[in-house]
Amino acid sequence: AQSVAQPEDQVNVAEGNPLTVKCTYSVSGNPYLFWYVQYPNRGLQFLLKYITGDNLVKGSYGFEAEFNKSQTSFHLKKPSALVSDSALYFCAVSSQTGANNLFFGTGTRLTVIP
Amino acid sequence: KAGVTQTPRYLIKTRGQQVTLSCSPISGHRSVSWYQQTPGQGLQFLFEYFSETQRNKGNFPGRFSGRQFSNSRSEMNVSTLELGDSALYLCASSQGLAGDQQETQYFGPGTRLLVL
Repeated sequence: AQSVAQPEDQVNVAEGNPLTVKCTYSVSGNPYLFWYVQYPNRGLQFLLKYITGDNLVKGSYGFEAEFNKSQTSFHLKKPSALVSDSALYFCAVSSQTGANNLFFGTGTRLTVIP
Repeated sequence: KAGVTQTPRYLIKTRGQQVTLSCSPISGHRSVSWYQQTPGQGLQFLFEYFSETQRNKGNFPGRFSGRQFSNSRSEMNVSTLELGDSALYLCASSQGLAGDQQETQYFGPGTRLLVL
């Protein structure tokens, strides 16, 4: 079985400050981890993914995420937050036993305060 | 390339009716997955289609079904609608590389279904 936890429903950060959105996962076998962002009345936009290799993954719009196997975490980070980053962020894991069936966390609403 | 498109964008139905939602994947993508998003249950995987065959299925009742056409376009159908079926239904496409579980799925804007 696989699962994803996003422990924070809401994260507030001041514009220009670094941001972190937390994600931990549980999966049998190798994890394939993803971050998506959802803006109001829109679908999900892909930010980045970890498959294998470097633990630090760089993605779209200046976001990056660090894979930590020992802590089973995949936290999303950005050095300097923008007001336009305010949105709903989802962490997801792909099952090893099937293809393209993502298991999503409950989402974290990020608000960047001007 | 055009992104994933879904029609209709909004839909209102009454209990007991059935509904069909449509999804056109990114050109060249052969895999289409469907997800349901609700405030209570979050994002849940419904099923995936590849080469006109259901390749994977989530834990939803048989009232939820789908199909894929030879041009990779997909439809999902919900019969005997219940109030709890009110949700945003998202379609995602990926290339559909054989045996590849690491693909990136690209999502459409969704169809918002309201069941009264």
